[in-house]
Amino acid sequence: DGGITQSPKYLFRKEGQNVTLSCEQNLNHDAMYWYRQDPGQGLRLIYYSQIVNDFQKGDIAEGYSVSREKKESFPLTVTSAQKNPTAFYLCASKIASGNEQFFGPGTRLTVL
Amino acid sequence: AQSVAQPEDQVNVAEGNPLTVKCTYSVSGNPYLFWYVQYPNRGLQFLLKYITGDNLVKGSYGFEAEFNKSQTSFHLKKPSALVSDSALYFCAVPFYSGNTPLVFGKGTRLSVIA
Repeated sequence: DGGITQSPKYLFRKEGQNVTLSCEQNLNHDAMYWYRQDPGQGLRLIYYSQIVNDFQKGDIAEGYSVSREKKESFPLTVTSAQKNPTAFYLCASKIASGNEQFFGPGTRLTVL
Repeated sequence: AQSVAQPEDQVNVAEGNPLTVKCTYSVSGNPYLFWYVQYPNRGLQFLLKYITGDNLVKGSYGFEAEFNKSQTSFHLKKPSALVSDSALYFCAVPFYSGNTPLVFGKGTRLSVIA
């Protein structure tokens, strides 16, 4: 987990509210990623960014938004349009020329 | 798009016995393959990768993986399992090429019984 921080660790949201999950890395990595993890479904890609001010949708982008204004930060907003947001959210990063991704500790979001 | 499959949801093994967690892949060209481990309520930790070279790849915590091109497999192995190896294991491959996001299998839960 070292070098990538996610906050908060646990987050509770009421239906209809937007919430923003933080992801920060001090590894000077170029690319950053957001995955969602549900039991028995592995990890599914939400959004990713290869460089600052640019990002692409993953497999399940609907109901989510991101920004990449700084190299070290890639926040994820879970909007009220996301119908089933309760899940474990994982942020990852890697260098441009590298292969393996490094993961943060995750944020568990629960909708009440 | 490239993909991986983990055919077993759960693997149980006695402490001290060898363990194998299976992964098969579907790729175009030369595969880049990865194994990660996840402990409860934690992020994923990188274990090892195959890019090119020897078919037997050694990684962290005594784990190794065997790349088999004819069987399109990349099974994770350890000669002697520890109770502390109990965790969720994921196989992964880049979506298209080496510099695209990783696509993960659904995971295999390993339980090592004392």
